[in-house]
Amino acid sequence: AQSVTQPDIHITVSEGASLELRCNYSYGATPYLFWYVQSPGQGLQLLLKYFSGDTLVQGIKGFEAEFKRSQSSFNLRKPSVHWSDAAEYFCAVGAWNQGGKLIFGQGTELSVKP
Amino acid sequence: DAGITQSPRYKITETGRQVTLMCHQTWSHSYMFWYRQDLGHGLRLIYYSAAADITDKGEVPDGYVVSRSKTENFPLTLESATRSQTSVYFCASSSLVGEAGELFFGEGSRLTVL
Repeated sequence: AQSVTQPDIHITVSEGASLELRCNYSYGATPYLFWYVQSPGQGLQLLLKYFSGDTLVQGIKGFEAEFKRSQSSFNLRKPSVHWSDAAEYFCAVGAWNQGGKLIFGQGTELSVKP
Repeated sequence: DAGITQSPRYKITETGRQVTLMCHQTWSHSYMFWYRQDLGHGLRLIYYSAAADITDKGEVPDGYVVSRSKTENFPLTLESATRSQTSVYFCASSSLVGEAGELFFGEGSRLTVL
C-alpha cells in the first residue's frame, strides 16, 4: 500500500539549533517527493520537491531535503531554525502517472523555543 | 488577484443539511483537488478533476459530490452533512500534465457540523 509516515508528531527545538524532520514512504512507482509547510490558519506552501537528479534538493527559507532511495526516506533539514519556522510540516509523495494526486503524511508540528 | 480562493472560510451547519464549499482559481490550471485535513490523518484526497467535466474519486469520497462545469471552479457539496464531516477542507490546483507537480492550495474552509 502507498503511504507516507512522519514518525514525529511534535518536535520542539531551540532557536538557532539545527532541525531534521523525518519522512518515510512506501510507494510502488518511482516517487516524486514534496515538503509543504502550513502556518496556523493558512493553506499549504511548497518548501521543496524532488523529481529526479541530485538527491539533495534546496528549497525556500533555507530548507533542504535529501532523498535516500535505499532507506525510502526524504528527510527535511535546516541548519539554524528561526522562530518564524514554527508551523506544521507535511511530507507528500506522488508519481508521474498519478495525475497530480499526492499522498500526505500525518504532519509534524514544529515549536521553536526562544 | 490571481490565486486560489475558497469560500466560505468558516461554516457551522447542522446534521442533515446540505453544504457547498466553493473553490475558484484564476490560473486556468487543468487539475483541481479537494482534500480534508483531520488531526492524526494529515490530508486525505476526497475528489479530483483533470479538466472541466472530468472528475474522479479520491481516498475518502463517501458523502461528497463535486462538479466542474468551468475550468476555474470546483465546488464540493455535502448532500447531507454528518458530524464526521467536521473538518478543514482544502482546495488545490495544479498545471501538471503527465507528471506530478506542485499543488497550490487555498486557505481552507473550516466546517463544523453540529
